[in-house]
Amino acid sequence: DADVTQTPRNRITKTGKRIMLECSQTKGHDRMYWYRQDPGLGLRLIYYSFDVKDINKGEISDGYSVSRQAQAKFSLSLESAIPNQTALYFCATGPGDGGLETQYFGPGTRLLVL
Amino acid sequence: KQEVTQIPAALSVPEGENLVLNCSFTDSAIYNLQWFRQDPGKGLTSLLLIQSSQREQTSGRLNASLDKSSGRSTLYIAASQPGDSATYLCALLNQAGTALIFGKGTTLSVSS
Repeated sequence: DADVTQTPRNRITKTGKRIMLECSQTKGHDRMYWYRQDPGLGLRLIYYSFDVKDINKGEISDGYSVSRQAQAKFSLSLESAIPNQTALYFCATGPGDGGLETQYFGPGTRLLVL
Repeated sequence: KQEVTQIPAALSVPEGENLVLNCSFTDSAIYNLQWFRQDPGKGLTSLLLIQSSQREQTSGRLNASLDKSSGRSTLYIAASQPGDSATYLCALLNQAGTALIFGKGTTLSVSS
């Protein structure tokens, strides 16, 4: 089984709809992240959480919200989806190892907002 | 603001060639530098991690170097294979250790 799972893997929705993307991990990491990837723009950080009670905005948090329901679960919500939120969304986890810090990525959710 | 640039954006080589992917960054105050591989429809996989105090790391046919003073890193792939075809991303962990900052990637195609 994958260490970091994302659901759904693909989603088509309409402008104005609320949508939630879910992420679960079995790595036992405290740190979790949400990124979006757009062609020509690379990966950009939306939100990150270093534990259940710690939520931080990333580079592009406008239009998004998150919920850290447990150490293993981190959800990303689009309260009112708009077409420019069409992108590939990745969840990642990290152990918080200082200089050895890396991140482990889920397979991604491809979102299309019509 | 830290900026990460990867050159070239795309590269096509025949099988067996040695190749170099380049990454440059604007702020030398980093925690570490990492190279990731991204395959279509899949997430990112970490290939090599170089801590701020290190100069290079090696794993099999891959060698990554870091020169903080010039703001550069290279990923060297020896004897390329078709299975190496993927997008390679360079990422820096900021000095606060809170976020990875990614380049836009180099898409590599190795033909047999």
